[in-house]
Amino acid sequence: GAGVSQSPSNKVTEKGKDVELRCDPISGHTALYWYRQSLGQGLEFLIYFQGNSAPDKSGLPSDRFSAERTGGSVSTLTIQRTQQEDSAVYLCASSAGTGFPKNIQYFGAGTRLSVL
Amino acid sequence: ELKVEQNPLFLSMQEGKNYTIYCNYSTTSDRLYWYRQDPGKSLESLFVLLSNGAVKQEGRLMASLDTKARLSTLHITAAVHDLSATYFCAVYHSGGGADGLTFGKGTHLIIQP
Repeated sequence: GAGVSQSPSNKVTEKGKDVELRCDPISGHTALYWYRQSLGQGLEFLIYFQGNSAPDKSGLPSDRFSAERTGGSVSTLTIQRTQQEDSAVYLCASSAGTGFPKNIQYFGAGTRLSVL
Repeated sequence: ELKVEQNPLFLSMQEGKNYTIYCNYSTTSDRLYWYRQDPGKSLESLFVLLSNGAVKQEGRLMASLDTKARLSTLHITAAVHDLSATYFCAVYHSGGGADGLTFGKGTHLIIQP
């Protein structure tokens, strides 16, 4: 696609429910990144994929968070048993690869998650 | 652990004025990115600074990098309302997560007519 697409753009859920957030990267981009942006905070790195592999899962805040990527394209971030502190904007980015200039990251508009 | 600090975090200024946003980081890096984010929108890449002394300019924005001081600046000249946004710096650090990018908390810039 022309840009990084995320869906849904907004998600309201009840505490304890599971949610899935989707990211469709720029066509041909091999690297995909998930970040979380909380009110007043910067971008908190969650996880990144090179192809379908996730070499770095260190940013996932708890075992309730998981992510997968299939076919080297679409990625899904799943949050199980959501808590109110999970409320944030979840941003996805993709890049053409590793190493400059391929690693310039292009961001989607984000999914705003509200946990009631 | 690489730390990236921006200041100010919030800035309200009048059109026509000049101002500078600062980005300090804690470990050696030779690559720094500036991004812009409008409310509800994606982050847009503004500048990539690759070496000590690098300076890049686009319209009323100019970014520079001093790797020895571990400092980058984003200077706004004769601000206009359209520049109102949140600006993030991101520093590359080999071995870090996400292909080494660590973001600052962002500077929320409001430019008033």
